[in-house]
Amino acid sequence: EAQVTQNPRYLITVTGKKLTVTCSQNMNHEYMSWYRQDPGLGLRQIYYSMNVEVTDKGDVPEGYKVSRKEKRNFPLILESPSPNQTSLYFCASSSGPRGVYEQYFGPGTRLTVT
Amino acid sequence: DAKTTQPTSMDCAEGRAANLPCNHSTISGNEYVYWYRQIHSQGPQYIIHGLKNNETNEMASLIITEDRKSSTLILPHATLRDTAVYYCNRAPLTEPREQGGSEKLVFGKGMKLTVNP
Repeated sequence: EAQVTQNPRYLITVTGKKLTVTCSQNMNHEYMSWYRQDPGLGLRQIYYSMNVEVTDKGDVPEGYKVSRKEKRNFPLILESPSPNQTSLYFCASSSGPRGVYEQYFGPGTRLTVT
Repeated sequence: DAKTTQPTSMDCAEGRAANLPCNHSTISGNEYVYWYRQIHSQGPQYIIHGLKNNETNEMASLIITEDRKSSTLILPHATLRDTAVYYCNRAPLTEPREQGGSEKLVFGKGMKLTVNP
């Protein structure tokens, strides 16, 4: 089954404790992205990757890092989480560039930073 | 300045067709209309997209007016599981990264569709 998986699904952590949210897709997609969703602000792109070893900043990259060492994986790293990073996070992939409108989203990771 | 306009919410009876309108009166000639839905904090789900011709897939049909200023997403036989927030948006065909493209989806506020038994 074609899918995007994220782990963990739920995470409560404390300020400053480094964490990684994993994302993996089994569709051999070149393009992967991370979004965060907050009430009233909608979905905002954090980082994206056009292919292995190619990443770039989205609209809200501050406080986040990513890496793309393999095509299927695109982890999101919070080196020193802060309470304003409490949010619902989604990873997505697409066959792009012309597949951009048909992005497949993961189930989401709900992160709480206290 | 909203790029698309949708009703805030809509109700539909189970088994009936759900017709979800979207206004995009300022759409440019190279912009696609695309639809996603999000069921209660799950990951958004792609539904369909189109440029000027009507489109149909296993999930829905997209009817775009001839002047392309509005469109309607049709769920032919709505079920309770179709209850979700539906997002209609427009964007040009994304350009490659070297031309400034970012493969970014932009989601507006969407419309809450409630399918009632």
